[in-house]
Amino acid sequence: QKEVEQDPGPLSVPEGAIVSLNCTYSNSAFQYFMWYRQYSRKGPELLMYTYSSGNKEDGRFTAQVDKSSKYISLFIRDSQPSDSATYLCAMSEGSGSARQLTFGSGTQLTVLP
Amino acid sequence: SQTIHQWPATLVQPVGSPLSLECTVEGTSNPNLYWYRQAAGRGLQLLFYSVGIGQISSEVPQNLSASRPQDRQFILSSKKLLLSDSGFYLCAWSSWFNYGYTFGSGTRLTVV
Repeated sequence: QKEVEQDPGPLSVPEGAIVSLNCTYSNSAFQYFMWYRQYSRKGPELLMYTYSSGNKEDGRFTAQVDKSSKYISLFIRDSQPSDSATYLCAMSEGSGSARQLTFGSGTQLTVLP
Repeated sequence: SQTIHQWPATLVQPVGSPLSLECTVEGTSNPNLYWYRQAAGRGLQLLFYSVGIGQISSEVPQNLSASRPQDRQFILSSKKLLLSDSGFYLCAWSSWFNYGYTFGSGTRLTVV
């Protein structure tokens, strides 16, 4: 079993839809949770960052962490064609010397105009 | 502000040829540096990380090696490329003051 599981998709939605992207994990020591967005042939860019459980909102994006269920989500409201990308979840135990991240395999999202 | 540079963007190399990919970070000191490989349709595979000059940790035994000759320079090398070395190579950095990693723009390597 992988430490972090992420549905690879692909996921295709119409413009304006609400998108839900999810990851589950097995390591209860994970405390820091991130979402990265990766456009085709580009490096991933940090989209959202949360610590421990709870919700965090940034514009159309909401990150949600449920540590009791070992489940994190990213919601995209009013999705736009420019949101079409691969979304990777990532998490780490803490701020060790190298603070290694464990990544999900990514979900490919296409928002149709 | 901090920036990360990675080059070349695209590389086509024959099997058995050497490889050198370079990554540099500007605007910060003593960053943690990482090399990842991303195969088509797959997740990120950590290859090497470094917490300081000359300090390299290898995550996956393979045909590749890494070096950090200067504080903000990270080099990925191979003496003889294999077909299986094809992929998208990403350099990243982190530090105590930033969240997560910041990635470079990547190098797409095709071994033919």
